[in-house]
Formats: sequence, C-alpha cells, structure tokens
Amino acid sequence: NAGVTQTPKFQVLKTGQSMTLQCAQDMNHNSMYWYRQDPGMGLRLIYYSASEGTTDKGEVPNGYNVSRLNKREFSLRLESAAPSQTSVYFCASSGAGINQPQHFGDGTRLSIL
Amino acid sequence: GQQVMQIPQYQHVQEGEDFTTYCNSSTTLSNIQWYKQRPGGHPVFLIQLVKSGEVKKQKRLTFQFGEAKKNSSLHITATQTTDVGTYFCAVSSGTYKYIFGTGTRLKVLA
Repeated sequence: NAGVTQTPKFQVLKTGQSMTLQCAQDMNHNSMYWYRQDPGMGLRLIYYSASEGTTDKGEVPNGYNVSRLNKREFSLRLESAAPSQTSVYFCASSGAGINQPQHFGDGTRLSIL
Repeated sequence: GQQVMQIPQYQHVQEGEDFTTYCNSSTTLSNIQWYKQRPGGHPVFLIQLVKSGEVKKQKRLTFQFGEAKKNSSLHITATQTTDVGTYFCAVSSGTYKYIFGTGTRLKVLA
C-alpha cells in the first residue's frame, strides 16, 4: 500500500538545467497537488489538479509547469532551474470533493547550484 | 488575497505541560484542516473542522473552530516526546486551493 510515491528523492541541478519531478498515487484519488516547502516555512501551493484533465495555478506557479498524465500521475517540470527554486517539493492527493484530507508523498529534496 | 497567520512560531515545553497553537484567517473559511509534520518527514493529516464552533477531540488533542469561522486552535494536554514536530493549519474558502499556515514548531523537553 504505497499511497503517494515521489521520484526522485534527492536531486542536484545546475542553474538553467531542466527537470521533471514525478508523482503517482494508488488511492484512486481525483485531486492532486504540488507544494514547495522552504526551510522553516509552511507549504506553498504551486499547482493543483482538481480532476483528471484539469490543472490550475496555486500561489507560486512562476517557473513551473505541470501535467496531469492520467488519474494516477501528476508531474512537475522546471524548464530552466534557478537557485530560488531550491526547496523540498511535496506532492499530495485527495479524494473527490473539496473537503477531503490530503495525503502527502515523502518529498523530493532539490538543490540548484 | 487570503492570509493565514499561525502563532506561535516556536514553542518549547517540558514534558507533561500543555501546548496550544492558533490559526487566524483574514477571511471566512469553508473548512480548516490540521496536519503534523515530524522532523524530516511529510505532513500527515490530523483532522478537519467544518462547522462554526465545532470542537473535536483525538485522545490528548483538542481542535476548535471559531464561531465566525475565521480562526481555529489545536490544544495538546500533557505533552509527550512523541508530540514533537511542526503543526500546520490549512485553510480553504471553498475551493481546492488550500493555503497552509507557517506552522508552529513544538519541542518537548524530557
């Protein structure tokens, strides 16, 4: 019973490189989310997908793109990484409807030099 | 836009003491969720409050939603070392877009 799986767990990039973070859930959830968490901070929503086929911007979408590949998978892409994007990235999923608990993956620790 | 203030930022308590964290919103909320994140871990859902004035309990944890649905609190009675972590509130105004508070980091001294 994996829940939400994120890959990779760690990554180091150089400024200007591109990268895609992968997220998959096996709970048949409709909604998926990408957050970033900076040291000592709360989580900030980057993008979310309320259901398969839809994506919407969150609080901090600039510099990122997302793809809801199917119901299970939601990927986050950095086209041209910048040091300000160094962070821990969490993917989450939730069931149908707006008042549902979110289940988080273990996170991807991303450093951009 | 919607703002969420969570206080205090940090709290150190002796084991056995009580602990409270508060979450305040600038707008009326549809619901509020509480999460706990252990050091180095990921957020884990604790509870959701939906109704005005709602109070829910989970063992030593008591969660309350304000009458005006603009604030909430989490109270832990007789803290234990297993309570260590950061407690976050997450609020929504009726959409899928959740705003997380900055969290309260709890340290319990044995």
